[in-house]
Amino acid sequence: RKEVEQDPGPFNVPEGATVAFNCTYSNSASQSFFWYRQDCRKEPKLLMSVYSSGNEDGRFTAQLNRASQYISLLIRDSKLSDSATYLCVVILSGSARQLTFGSGTQLTVLP
Amino acid sequence: GAGVSQSPSNKVTEKGKDVELRCDPISGHTALYWYRQSLGQGLEFLIYFQGNSAPDKSGLPSDRFSAERTGGSVSTLTIQRTQQEDSAVYLCASSSAGTDYNSPLHFGNGTRLTVT
Repeated sequence: RKEVEQDPGPFNVPEGATVAFNCTYSNSASQSFFWYRQDCRKEPKLLMSVYSSGNEDGRFTAQLNRASQYISLLIRDSKLSDSATYLCVVILSGSARQLTFGSGTQLTVLP
Repeated sequence: GAGVSQSPSNKVTEKGKDVELRCDPISGHTALYWYRQSLGQGLEFLIYFQGNSAPDKSGLPSDRFSAERTGGSVSTLTIQRTQQEDSAVYLCASSSAGTDYNSPLHFGNGTRLTVT
């Protein structure tokens, strides 16, 4: 089983739709969680951290479910510019190798 | 301010040649990571530098790969006797974290390596 798993998609949604992605992780000792976005042929960029109580940044909401070992990203009122690959990142303490990226979920927002 | 800078942005080399990829991290960032990403794949960890500590080389795929970081700043990733399977985008990232990995990574634009 992969340490971090994401549905690769692609998710094709109309502009204005709400879309949600999940990311599951295998190690219950994972401590920190992030969502990154990566545009085509570009480098990953931090989208938002994921806090235990859940957090929101504009149209984006991130949640953590430790019991079920997954994090989620909800995008409301999708924009064309949201089209990208969304990577979840899970961090264990103790080793740089434990900073693990998921393989990403591809989102295309259609006009 | 200046971000992470990588050079070259593209490199085409013949199988068997050596290549050097350069990364200039954000000034003051003590942590530096190298990853590679093959087409349509996730990021594969290669090596991690933290300050003056011994680097974590546990992700290097073979002894043809090596990296150094001079003066705690610029890093060079060297691939000797390149093989076609080395073709990928090599991404460098830096962070202001010490041993706390909660600080986000800032990535460079990557070097796209093609081995023919």
